[in-house]
Amino acid sequence: QVHLQESGPGLVKPSETLSLTCTVSGGSIRRYYWSWIRQPPGKGLEWIGSIYYSGTTNYSPSLKSRVTLSVDASKDQFSLRLRSVTAADTAVYYCARTGLTTPWLDPWGQGTLVTVSS
Amino acid sequence: DIQMTQSPSTLSSSVGDRVTITCRASQSISSWLAWYQQKPGKAPKLLIYTASTLESGVPSRFSGSRSGTEFTLTISSLQPDDFATYYCQQYNSFPLTFGGGTKVEIK
Repeated sequence: QVHLQESGPGLVKPSETLSLTCTVSGGSIRRYYWSWIRQPPGKGLEWIGSIYYSGTTNYSPSLKSRVTLSVDASKDQFSLRLRSVTAADTAVYYCARTGLTTPWLDPWGQGTLVTVSS
Repeated sequence: DIQMTQSPSTLSSSVGDRVTITCRASQSISSWLAWYQQKPGKAPKLLIYTASTLESGVPSRFSGSRSGTEFTLTISSLQPDDFATYYCQQYNSFPLTFGGGTKVEIK
């Protein structure tokens, strides 16, 4: 059974770069899309972007100028970098899998809270 | 972008009640819609995909339907474990978009 685990700093200073990694276990990263979704405290879900295992990306238009997704298939990992963060980027960040024939988001990682504060 | 309008935002119900949550897409998404359940402090859990297909292991009291661009999640008889927040999500096209969520509370 595929398991996803987010990792990275829980505290980032304003104007700096948020970096998170999602490690995939129990299955291969190949032939799937991998997504990042975030949820500010007490609010709804926001899709950040998705990356195919080959490196093709799709980004949220509202975040596109600050986001970079990457994948390391040799390590079964994919990563998120969000530049120039502000307090509005404080959220729980989730990673999730999307299949070509199963294009919904499943499974999800447990999520990791990232707080932007000085 | 495809906007997903979900209603109501909050719903107060009792155990045993029939509950209906609606999600409307701003344009056609065929049946490319999923429903998720989220409990406090937990990741969303897939309930239904392709508008009406129940994910394996999800109780049969949950069902989904589609009428044009309007989608419905129904819980036939609300159970204590069902008090949670529910989200719809379209995957017809990028950017992926979610409804605003419906919190199902105990009446």
